[in-house]
Amino acid sequence: AQKVTQAQTEISVVEKEDVTLDCVYETRDTTYYLFWYKQPPSGELVFLIRRNSFDEQNEISGRYSWNFQKSTSSFNFTITASQVVDSAVYFCALFTSGTYKYIFGTGTRLKVLA
Amino acid sequence: GAVVSQHPSWVICKSGTSVKIECRSLDFQATTMFWYRQFPKQSLMLMATSNEGSKATYEQGVEKDKFLINHASLTLSTLTVTSAHPEDSSFYICSARDPLAGGQNYEQYFGPGTRLTVT
Repeated sequence: AQKVTQAQTEISVVEKEDVTLDCVYETRDTTYYLFWYKQPPSGELVFLIRRNSFDEQNEISGRYSWNFQKSTSSFNFTITASQVVDSAVYFCALFTSGTYKYIFGTGTRLKVLA
Repeated sequence: GAVVSQHPSWVICKSGTSVKIECRSLDFQATTMFWYRQFPKQSLMLMATSNEGSKATYEQGVEKDKFLINHASLTLSTLTVTSAHPEDSSFYICSARDPLAGGQNYEQYFGPGTRLTVT
């Protein structure tokens, strides 16, 4: 079975704090892709990152960084020095070569307070 | 980059009426499009997979006679909610797969969504 778990329903931080959003996935496929999307109040999904199952290198993009660990089936997302504009719902998603479908986690609502 | 549009962006309709939502791939031809539904404060749930020129494949629990999907061209898929009821009020998002994106099946591009309110 394919599954994505985002255990944190809602997180509140004060501006400039670092915050990590957790994502744990389940799949038996050896080839799969993991994604993070941001969904601001407007509703439109904003693509943040894609990582394939063969690439465990961590990635940094500005204030964003991602930690992919196959050993724990986790793909965590860290925002450094958070800003109010980071307030949104963040979704982790799994795409497997076996299903050709996206499976989304339940999302984490991040509130960054000024 | 690949762009997917949806029309309308929001719609209000009366209970019992039907409403059509369009999903268009603007700069690529999409042989496959997907329709998702997102209830408030919930995740995106795949409703159906739409292949150009053939019948849509619906996920378990989705009423195919209520949610009619037509993918008549390589750039347009439509979702018609028939005999809408207040419980159908939701945010509907489509995505489109670009078959020429380096052969990568994971390449899907999401539309901006359509907010449906049934009164």
